[in-house]
Amino acid sequence: QKEVEQNSGPLSVPEGAIASLNCTYSDRGSQSFFWYRQYSGKSPELIMSIYSNGDKEDGRFTAQLNKASQYVSLLIRDSQPSDSATYLCAVSSSNTGKLIFGQGTTLQVKP
Amino acid sequence: SAVISQKPSRDICQRGTSLTIQCQVDSQVTMMFWYRQQPGQSLTLIATANQGSEATYESGFVIDKFPISRPNLTFSTLTVSNMSPEDSSIYLCSVEVDRYYEQYFGPGTRLTVT
Repeated sequence: QKEVEQNSGPLSVPEGAIASLNCTYSDRGSQSFFWYRQYSGKSPELIMSIYSNGDKEDGRFTAQLNKASQYVSLLIRDSQPSDSATYLCAVSSSNTGKLIFGQGTTLQVKP
Repeated sequence: SAVISQKPSRDICQRGTSLTIQCQVDSQVTMMFWYRQQPGQSLTLIATANQGSEATYESGFVIDKFPISRPNLTFSTLTVSNMSPEDSSIYLCSVEVDRYYEQYFGPGTRLTVT
């Protein structure tokens, strides 16, 4: 069973701090990695995609991928209360291309 | 990306009835997916719907319970049949856009079965 694992949290950080969310995966052949943000009562929103080792930055968000260690992380700089949400890590299956989702990490940013 | 709409946004249904959920996307896409998200849980893939072929169901989901139609490249429906309270959930459609397996989600349908 190919899996994606995340710490469910909640992860609580003060406003202005860096939030670090982590995800590990078991499928060594996975090629595509995604972070989705899901506000309570809303559908998942794609915020970051990463396909190669290293860092990818987009505004306050940085995704980091390490295929050798099979982990992907999301850093949120200058965290805002509006960043409070559940963050879902998703990894494409090497067999089917379908996305496998982690359980999600709940982030709370306190003013 | 893609703009995706779903109808209805929510519904309350009686046990034993069926509900059809519609998913419309603003551009032609090959791959559409249907997920279920139960309260406090992550996403579970129900099936993949490709235009011109039968839907492919994941383990634990069967066509008699969740029939799917995909008549063209911008539209799909999911029917939840013979509903029970255990079917109460959020149902989401998503589309795969371009390459690298990126998926975008519709707003979801919140179903409550009484």
